[in-house]
Amino acid sequence: SQQGEEDPQALSIQEGENATMNCSYKTSINNLQWYRQNSGRGLVHLILIRSNEREKHSGRLRVTLDTSKKSSSLLITASRAADTASYFCATPASGGSYIPTFGRGTSLIVHP
Amino acid sequence: GAVVSQHPSWVICKSGTSVKIECRSLDFQATTMFWYRQFPKQSLMLMATSNEGSKATYEQGVEKDKFLINHASLTLSTLTVTSAHPEDSSFYICSASPTTDQETQYFGPGTRLLVL
Repeated sequence: SQQGEEDPQALSIQEGENATMNCSYKTSINNLQWYRQNSGRGLVHLILIRSNEREKHSGRLRVTLDTSKKSSSLLITASRAADTASYFCATPASGGSYIPTFGRGTSLIVHP
Repeated sequence: GAVVSQHPSWVICKSGTSVKIECRSLDFQATTMFWYRQFPKQSLMLMATSNEGSKATYEQGVEKDKFLINHASLTLSTLTVTSAHPEDSSFYICSASPTTDQETQYFGPGTRLLVL
């Protein structure tokens, strides 16, 4: 079943601006992952953040996790046109599972 | 980095025919592979978990006789859509977890199926 839900569903910004996407989930998790999907392509893994971590960075990406609110955010700083894609958060299908279940995603468009 | 390939990348077939999609881990061994389907602008829905050398585990609502999964080796899983119908048209994506790191999944590029 689908657990994570991204917000907003769509985001349109200008190159150079920051993009923030949020993910809310329902049950306790041991990790949360963010993926990117370019149109009609497979998924690219971006970041995995564990339940005992609050923030993680990778290049221009910053992910936060608030387990008390059951939410996570993905921040892309200084966005580029090449960042245009759909972004999904994924949470384990069940307690000890490693199988990710995906939300509907946020469609990000970065205008040059 | 780890690479997963899918073949074919797209396929068009007539209603009633069967279509086989291959998922290969190119540079690692994968005890477990996963099959997802995705409708336009929708989420990825897990169809089944494929374990090498054993029967696949199907998610609720997925017909195992309709979607045949075979995971005969540590680098290959196949999904066969039997007697395909237009409603089976979708984007099918596989992923593979390295035997040495089951927490990580690497996704294939997907196969677009169009059933006429």
